[in-house]
Amino acid sequence: AQSVTQLDSHVSVSEGTPVLLRCNYSSSYSPSLFWYVQHPNKGLQLLLKYTSAATLVKGINGFEAEFKKSETSFHLTKPSAHMSDAAEYFCVVSGGGGYNKLIFGAGTRLAVHP
Amino acid sequence: DTGVSQDPRHKITKRGQNVTFRCDPISEHNRLYWYRQTLGQGPEFLTYFQNEAQLEKSRLLSDRFSAERPKGSFSTLEIQRTEQGDSAMYLCASSLGAVEETQYFGPGTRLLVL
Repeated sequence: AQSVTQLDSHVSVSEGTPVLLRCNYSSSYSPSLFWYVQHPNKGLQLLLKYTSAATLVKGINGFEAEFKKSETSFHLTKPSAHMSDAAEYFCVVSGGGGYNKLIFGAGTRLAVHP
Repeated sequence: DTGVSQDPRHKITKRGQNVTFRCDPISEHNRLYWYRQTLGQGPEFLTYFQNEAQLEKSRLLSDRFSAERPKGSFSTLEIQRTEQGDSAMYLCASSLGAVEETQYFGPGTRLLVL
């Protein structure tokens, strides 16, 4: 069975400092992994996805994530946080079975302080 | 480009009443998914349609829940005899249908059962 664990429920950073949101996954086969962001009162938006191509994946708004099979991790990073990055972030693994049933982590709430 | 739309955005109902939600996917997308998100948690898969065929239902989807996609376009999710535990955000997503494709989410319908 597939699952994801987001290691931090809350992360707080200062504007302009790096962001690191941690995610570990469990999968019985080569997974597809995603990061989605959810701003208050807005729908889920895809930040980036890994689908067995390059292990370093670049997404929107300066975010990137690195797939590390040996560590079963898919951490999300950004070099410099912006106030607009404050939101809930979800690490997601594809459930497989020939279609993309998504399995979400519990989420990490990112706060960005001036 | 119109994204996934959901109606209504908010619904307040009394326990025991029936409610119905609608989802309009992106027009050329043949896969449609329903998820449920409770406070402080990540979304959980409920059910999935390929065109008009409902191909999988989660164990979360009790007998009081029914979903349809009659013409392979819009979908409805009905909850009969609502309970307070049904209070949640109900999310709809759609995708083109290729393997490892991206799911695009609607803004959700927030249900409160009093």
